[in-house]
Amino acid sequence: DAKTTQPTSMDCAEGRAANLPCNHSTISGNEYVYWYRQIHSQGPQYIIHGLKNNETNEMASLIITEDRKSSTLILPHATLRDTAVYYCIVRVGNAGGTSYGKLTFGQGTILTVHP
Amino acid sequence: DSGVTQTPKHLITATGQRVTLRCSPRSGDLSVYWYQQSLDQGLQFLIQYYNGEERAKGNILERFSAQQFPDLHSELNLSSLELGDSALYFCASSVGLGAKNIQYFGAGTRLSVL
Repeated sequence: DAKTTQPTSMDCAEGRAANLPCNHSTISGNEYVYWYRQIHSQGPQYIIHGLKNNETNEMASLIITEDRKSSTLILPHATLRDTAVYYCIVRVGNAGGTSYGKLTFGQGTILTVHP
Repeated sequence: DSGVTQTPKHLITATGQRVTLRCSPRSGDLSVYWYQQSLDQGLQFLIQYYNGEERAKGNILERFSAQQFPDLHSELNLSSLELGDSALYFCASSVGLGAKNIQYFGAGTRLSVL
């Protein structure tokens, strides 16, 4: 799986948009970009994922650059409850080989939302 | 609530002992994954089962084993426990294999080895 690089920490004011960047310059054509977050030792929570196109759901938006070498997770109106560690993960798309879609977590970005 | 149920939530035991962690996947999910999260290693993939069969192994110790039963629940068995096995153990489930299938995580089991 491709490696990802994320900033160690970021701050955001409550009510403002939080934009979390992720670099995945070695991503392959069949690899998906996934975002999860973990709030204080709870189980990781799925946020969003994408392959090539930008994606939006009720939680966030995912913007993937045209060359797919980087992406940005956008939380449009951050709240205090969005304070968490955010993980950007690249996963191989097919079900063959030995990975079978396992998630490889890095250190993630600690997002702190301030009042 | 992700729909993945893990029991127990907390487990305190002594070195050398054996414990069993249980995971019930979301309804309809055939694939189960186990992850370990310790302070120094972060979240690490241990093992994956799909419809009762082992499909992938990560950094799982030989003292650890797992299985998935016909009703699709899974158990992770940890034996000859050491202090370093103290960690959060998460189970995740997905409908199928591969990266198109979203993994949903349970709340975890916190294991403390004293």
